[in-house]
Amino acid sequence: EAQVTQNPRYLITVTGKKLTVTCSQNMNHEYMSWYRQDPGLGLRQIYYSMNVEVTDKGDVPEGYKVSRKEKRNFPLILESPSPNQTSLYFCASSLSGQYNEQFFGPGTRLTVL
Amino acid sequence: GENVEQHPSTLSVQEGDSAVIKCTYSDSASNYFPWYKQELGKRPQLIIDIRSNVGEKKDQRIAVTLNKTAKHFSLHITETQPEDSAVYFCAARGGSNDMRFGAGTRLTVKP
Repeated sequence: EAQVTQNPRYLITVTGKKLTVTCSQNMNHEYMSWYRQDPGLGLRQIYYSMNVEVTDKGDVPEGYKVSRKEKRNFPLILESPSPNQTSLYFCASSLSGQYNEQFFGPGTRLTVL
Repeated sequence: GENVEQHPSTLSVQEGDSAVIKCTYSDSASNYFPWYKQELGKRPQLIIDIRSNVGEKKDQRIAVTLNKTAKHFSLHITETQPEDSAVYFCAARGGSNDMRFGAGTRLTVKP
């Protein structure tokens, strides 16, 4: 089944404890992206990747890191999480960076205490 | 970078009526404009999209119009049904391939 998976789905952590949210797609998509969703603010792009070893900052990259060592994986890293990073995170992928539908993962609800 | 504004933030219609959601964008290099529907507790899913070289696109009860000169695009849903109730997001792909979303419109269709 073609899909985007994210892990974990739920995470409660404390300020300053490094964490990684994994994202994987099995559709051989070139474009992958991370978003955070907060009430009243819609979806805001954190980072995106046009292909392996190519990453670019989105609208709200501060406090996040990403890597794209393989085409299928695009992990999101929070080196020192803070309470303002409490949010719902979505990973998404599309065939290319042009006119293609983005397929979203199920979301990861992160709480930073 | 791109900036996308979406109105209204909430919209309530009677079943069978039409609903219109409007978005504006700022980056003249933007060339792709998708609309996503997000039901409660679910992930966003694409419902329709339009490229910058097309003025209008229709898929059954859903249509999208694009005015490049004015930098605005709209979603039209006709003959609304209760299952259309959800949050709708417009988005624009900028010249750098970044994707900016509007803040969302919560549509409620009353039976």
